[in-house]
Amino acid sequence: KNEVEQSPQNLTAQEGEFITINCSYSVGISALHWLQQHPGGGIVSLFMLSSGKKKHGRLIATINIQEKHSSLHITASHPRDSAVYICAVHTGKLIFGQGTTLQVKP
Amino acid sequence: DGGITQSPKYLFRKEGQNVTLSCEQNLNHDAMYWYRQDPGQGLRLIYYSQIVNDFQKGDIAEGYSVSREKKESFPLTVTSAQKNPTAFYLCASSIDRRPLLTGELFFGEGSRLTVL
Repeated sequence: KNEVEQSPQNLTAQEGEFITINCSYSVGISALHWLQQHPGGGIVSLFMLSSGKKKHGRLIATINIQEKHSSLHITASHPRDSAVYICAVHTGKLIFGQGTTLQVKP
Repeated sequence: DGGITQSPKYLFRKEGQNVTLSCEQNLNHDAMYWYRQDPGQGLRLIYYSQIVNDFQKGDIAEGYSVSREKKESFPLTVTSAQKNPTAFYLCASSIDRRPLLTGELFFGEGSRLTVL
């Protein structure tokens, strides 16, 4: 079993829908990243959080340390949100999830 | 603009050949990393460097080599000893000198290597 599990692996949504991507981990962590990999392959950091909730525009990330779980929410989704979303945890090293491929259709 | 530049974006190699992937950053970051990405798998760490003239093996270093002669540059050589080199390679950097522990990571656009 992977130390970092993301769900779903693939997600298709209609424009405007509210989207949730989940990340569960089985190790103690100091922080968790949400990353976005666009179709060209480059990766950008969306959030780094160790507790609570962070919001940036239409993106919201939450983490529950006790439950070892984090969620990434996208409100009012748009086709330009189509990308792979990756969860990564700091455990003394970085462990990456397999990614969630999101496609938002117009 | 500051950032990380990887080249080439696409590279084809014959079996038995060594190839070098370039990674340059102008962010003045101390720490640099090389990751490998395969379909359906999370990124895996190949090598990392905390400071000039020093680097450490990651989880899958076999068949790869690196150098860190300048702060801005961290090239990765994929040698003929790497059994399955076809993959997407990502370079990253972090301002934090304690790599892998904390700090935001900045990534390049990646290099896709295909062995023919």
